[in-house]
Amino acid sequence: DVKVTQSSRYLVKRTGEKVFLECVQDMDHENMFWYRQDPGLGLRLIYFSYDVKMKEKGDIPEGYSVSREKKERFSLILESASTNQTSMYLCASKGPIMNTEAFFGQGTRLTVV
Amino acid sequence: ILNVEQSPQSLHVQEGDSTNFTCSFPSSNFYALHWYRWETAKSPEALFVMTLNGDEKKKGRISATLNTKEGYSYLYIKGSQPEDSATYLCAWVGTASKLTFGTGTRLQVTL
Repeated sequence: DVKVTQSSRYLVKRTGEKVFLECVQDMDHENMFWYRQDPGLGLRLIYFSYDVKMKEKGDIPEGYSVSREKKERFSLILESASTNQTSMYLCASKGPIMNTEAFFGQGTRLTVV
Repeated sequence: ILNVEQSPQSLHVQEGDSTNFTCSFPSSNFYALHWYRWETAKSPEALFVMTLNGDEKKKGRISATLNTKEGYSYLYIKGSQPEDSATYLCAWVGTASKLTFGTGTRLQVTL
């Protein structure tokens, strides 16, 4: 059974803290993604990675960075958490072929207070 | 930002009704169009991945069509059931395997 696992289901952090969201996949996928989901805005791409140490900005990268040191792990970093980063964060992974589906983690609901 | 748009934003139907949603996407640099179903408290799960113009896919009571030249896809649900209640997302795949999602259609099916 394929699996994408996010490190936390719920997280509460203080403004200004550095926050790490971890995502691990066991499918040997090249592509990994971080999205945030907000009401009425759908899934918005923050960053994605198409290989180890490779990354590309998505549509809303400001205030975030990522790390992909190993193929199975893709980390999202909030350098200095702010209240407007309170959201649901979803990680996904996908194989290299265009017609293959993406698999999602269970999501992390982050609240910044 | 490339626009992938879905309509309607939400839909409320009775059990047994048939319904359909629309996804519109850029017709240039098209590689694939995905449909996902996202139930509350679960992860999004893939319904269909379509790549060819004119593609039609079917899974039980749910089917989808694709028009890459005009940049739209339809998702149909025949005889809606309460368990079909979910948010339905489409995602456009352009270059570099990047998935760009629409805002989703939230379907609620009542008895």
